[in-house]
Parts: sequence; structure tokens; C-alpha cells
Amino acid sequence: DVKVTQSSRYLVKRTGEKVFLECVQDMDHENMFWYRQDPGLGLRLIYFSYDVKMKEKGDIPEGYSVSREKKERFSLILESASTNQTSMYLCASSLVALPDTQYFGPGTRLTVL
Amino acid sequence: AQSVTQPDIHITVSEGASLELRCNYSYGATPYLFWYVQSPGQGLQLLLKYFSGDTLVQGIKGFEAEFKRSQSSFNLRKPSVHWSDAAEYFCAVGANTNAGKSTFGDGTTLTVKP
Repeated sequence: DVKVTQSSRYLVKRTGEKVFLECVQDMDHENMFWYRQDPGLGLRLIYFSYDVKMKEKGDIPEGYSVSREKKERFSLILESASTNQTSMYLCASSLVALPDTQYFGPGTRLTVL
Repeated sequence: AQSVTQPDIHITVSEGASLELRCNYSYGATPYLFWYVQSPGQGLQLLLKYFSGDTLVQGIKGFEAEFKRSQSSFNLRKPSVHWSDAAEYFCAVGANTNAGKSTFGDGTTLTVKP
């Protein structure tokens, strides 16, 4: 079974802090994704990576950056956390460069105070 | 660009009753269609997907969905709901011109009454 793990289930940070969310997949998938999930808004794509060191902006990239130095690891970075970035963050991976099954991690609930 | 609409924010059914969750998509060509389920405190899990071929697809946990091109719909059904089906359900659509990305609907929350 594919396993996608996220470094923290719950995280509390202060406004202005730099925040790192880590995601690791163990199935050699090409694609990795970061979403944020807010009530009533579904999943919104923040960033997407289709290969090591390759990234593409999603629908809501403002205030975020990403890093993919190794195939299995995809990091989401909040350069200066703000209260409106309080949310559930979901990481996912998929095998190929076509729309296919995405395998999700359990999520990180981030609270910015 | 593709888009997906789930018209029902919240649905309540009695245990043992049938279920249908609606999904409408917008895309010019044949889409890639998915249904995912998210149990409380969990990530999303794939229930079923449609790429081509038979328009009635079977998934896990007794779910099925039917692709209807004329109605731009991909509704999810289950003949008899169990209490453990209470969760949030997401429909998603992808396009082969959009790399590996899919667009997700806003979700439908299912409550199951005993």
C-alpha cells in the first residue's frame, strides 16, 4: 500500500514565524501536491510538483513556497505565517503525469495565533 | 479549465436506506472523474474512478457511480447505507491536458441516522 506521511498532525505557530510542513511518500510517485482544506471550500491546490526540483503554482500559491529536493519528499513553507493561513493542510501523491488516483496523508491542522 | 459542482452540502439518510450524491462537472472533452471519501480526522481515500469504457463503475465499500455525458454528471450511489459511511465525500475531475492535477468539489457531508 502507498503510504503518505506528514510530519505533524497538529501544529500551533505564531504570526510571522516561518513554518515548514513536510510530506513523504514511499511509492516512487512522480507527482506530489499540497492542498489546504477549509469548511465549505473543499480542497484548494496550493502547489504541485511533477518531478524533483520542478514545481507549479496551484490555485492559491500566495504566501506559500515549496521545495522538492528528493523524489519522496515535498515540503510546504509558510515564509511568514499569518492567521488566515490557519487551516488543514493535506499532502497527496500520484504515480503518473496524468490525472490519476491521489494518495493522501492524514493532514496537518495548523493554527496560527 | 475544468470545474466540478456538488450541489448538496449536507445529506442525511437513515441506515439501510439508499444513497445518491450528486456531482456535475464542466469540461469540454472526456474527463477523468473520481470520488473520494474522508472520514473524520483522516485524509482522503479513493472510492472509485472513471477514465473510459463502461459508464457504470464499481468501487470499494459497495459504492458505484455512473458517468452520464449528456448530463455532465457522475453521481455516486449506494443501495444500503451503513452507519460507518458517515463521512465527507468529494467528487474530483481531471483533464489529460492538465498534467496530474484534479479539481475537487466542495464536498458533501453525509450523516447516517440510526
